[in-house]
Amino acid sequence: SQQGEEDPQALSIQEGENATMNCSYKTSINNLQWYRQNSGRGLVHLILIRSNEREKHSGRLRVTLDTSKKSSSLLITASRAADTASYFCATPLTGGGNKLTFGTGTQLKVEL
Amino acid sequence: DTEVTQTPKHLVMGMTNKKSLKCEQHMGHRAMYWYKQKAKKPPELMFVYSYEKLSINESVPSRFSPECPNSSLLNLHLHALQPEDSALYLCASSQGPSSYEQYFGPGTRLTVT
Repeated sequence: SQQGEEDPQALSIQEGENATMNCSYKTSINNLQWYRQNSGRGLVHLILIRSNEREKHSGRLRVTLDTSKKSSSLLITASRAADTASYFCATPLTGGGNKLTFGTGTQLKVEL
Repeated sequence: DTEVTQTPKHLVMGMTNKKSLKCEQHMGHRAMYWYKQKAKKPPELMFVYSYEKLSINESVPSRFSPECPNSSLLNLHLHALQPEDSALYLCASSQGPSSYEQYFGPGTRLTVT
């Protein structure tokens, strides 16, 4: 399976702290994406990083990609209670068009 | 309009019932997807439609039957489901089959009794 592994599985932090979650994948990729899912709802696309990029920022989000280690990290700075959600990395299957394979996910809880 | 809508939000059906899930987008996207998601698991791809043609079927049992009547609409017809088919069914769309960002609907929570 190409499914990525994410760690930690669950993360609980206080509001204002930073949250870091990691994703490892198995095969070569041309991009890696991060999605957020609020409880029992649809997924929201957060950010896409291409294989020739090492770091990308979007608001309070910072994503890094290390293709030599087949890993990526998502950092959320100054977290808020509204950031409480599950976060998934996703990679398109090589040669599979837009067939996405999702990682196992990290459940983030931000407490007041 | 950057929204993907799904109806119904919740569905309870017996194993002998026939029901359908509906998904709609008006973003002009030409690729649409069905995913199945069990609790605390990542979404798993079921079907992909590109330009209204089925391009990927991830070996899904025939009791799930997808249909794409036009470029804005995607249906999933359900028949003779099993209790283990209970899950959140997510629809998504993207600009095209080579476009990477996918837009997801809120999902249909299906319970098979």
